[in-house]
Amino acid sequence: AQSVTQPDIHITVSEGASLELRCNYSYGATPYLFWYVQSPGQGLQLLLKYFSGDTLVQGIKGFEAEFKRSQSSFNLRKPSVHWSDAAEYFCAVGPASGGSYIPTFGRGTSLIVHP
Amino acid sequence: GAGVSQSPSNKVTEKGKDVELRCDPISGHTALYWYRQSLGQGLEFLIYFQGNSAPDKSGLPSDRFSAERTGGSVSTLTIQRTQQEDSAVYLCASSLDNEQYFGPGTRLTVT
Repeated sequence: AQSVTQPDIHITVSEGASLELRCNYSYGATPYLFWYVQSPGQGLQLLLKYFSGDTLVQGIKGFEAEFKRSQSSFNLRKPSVHWSDAAEYFCAVGPASGGSYIPTFGRGTSLIVHP
Repeated sequence: GAGVSQSPSNKVTEKGKDVELRCDPISGHTALYWYRQSLGQGLEFLIYFQGNSAPDKSGLPSDRFSAERTGGSVSTLTIQRTQQEDSAVYLCASSLDNEQYFGPGTRLTVT
């Protein structure tokens, strides 16, 4: 069965500092990988995705992520965090086996940004 | 274009009552998902519709939960005899090509 681990429940950074959010996955083949952001009271918005090809993926809002097969990781990075980046971040892996495409989500990492 | 919409945005109900939550997916999206998000938790998969295929109900937590999708578009999630542990945000997502688009969710509070 596929699974996703986001080891950090909360991350606190200062505005302007760099950011890395960790995501480890378990999947039997080359996965589809996603990062989503959820602001309070909102749904999830896709930041970036990896399906195949270049392992460094650029997304919206200045985010990037790198797929490392050897480490089963897909960490999210941003060189300089803005106060508006404070939100909940979710990593997801898909597809599932058995014919149903059902991504599995991690439990999320809450990003707190200090001025 | 229009995104995924959900209604109501908030629902407060008494324990034991039935509730219906609605999802309007993006036009043309063949896949539709329901998830549940409890406070401080990740997304819990509930049910998945893909085209005209039989839905994947493997995530429904009990037989009090059911969902239907009419005409391959609008979906309704029904919770019968609500319990306090059903309090959560219910998220709907639609997809065409393995990329999910989420609605804003319905916050359900069972008192």
